[in-house]
Amino acid sequence: DAKTTQPPSMDCAEGRAANLPCNHSTISGNEYVYWYRQIHSQGPQYIIHGLKNNETNEMASLIITEDRKSSTLILPHATLRDTAVYYCIVRVPNQAGTALIFGKGTTLSVSS
Amino acid sequence: NAGVTQTPKFQVLKTGQSMTLQCAQDMNHEYMSWYRQDPGMGLRLIHYSVGAGITDQGEVPNGYNVSRSTTEDFPLRLLSAAPSQTSVYFCASSFTAGTQGGYTFGSGTRLTVV
Repeated sequence: DAKTTQPPSMDCAEGRAANLPCNHSTISGNEYVYWYRQIHSQGPQYIIHGLKNNETNEMASLIITEDRKSSTLILPHATLRDTAVYYCIVRVPNQAGTALIFGKGTTLSVSS
Repeated sequence: NAGVTQTPKFQVLKTGQSMTLQCAQDMNHEYMSWYRQDPGMGLRLIHYSVGAGITDQGEVPNGYNVSRSTTEDFPLRLLSAAPSQTSVYFCASSFTAGTQGGYTFGSGTRLTVV
């Protein structure tokens, strides 16, 4: 799996958009970008994934640059419950026997 | 639709005891896996299964056994608990091994071995 780089921490005001960047300059052509988050003491939660097109679901939007070397996860209206560690992962989709590799992630703190 | 259910949520064992961590999913997922999460170590894959009757080892399988007799259940057995197995254990599943979608994780079992 390619390596990713994320800022260690970010702050966001409640109700504002949270934009979490991720650098993955060594991504391979068949690797997707996945985002997960882990709220304290809970299991990781899948958020969104994409290959090269921008993606949106009920939780977030994913913007991938044209060269695929970086991406941004957007939480459009952050709430206090979005406070968590956010992990950006690049991998070939769900290969059996290959572990999800969570780096250090970005700790997002949402405050009122 | 309960997702992935893990039981128990907390457990304290004495060294040498055995126990089974339960994992059940109701999403008809073929792929199931067990991870342990330790501070500073990230997630480490213990065992996984691509379907009923098929299991295989991950990167840290020693001291653990699994079986997959049904699509829904994937229990993890600790044969003789050791303090090094103190960890948080997560079960995760997906439709198939090659699906593009993400994994669904359970809420975890926090195990302490004394």
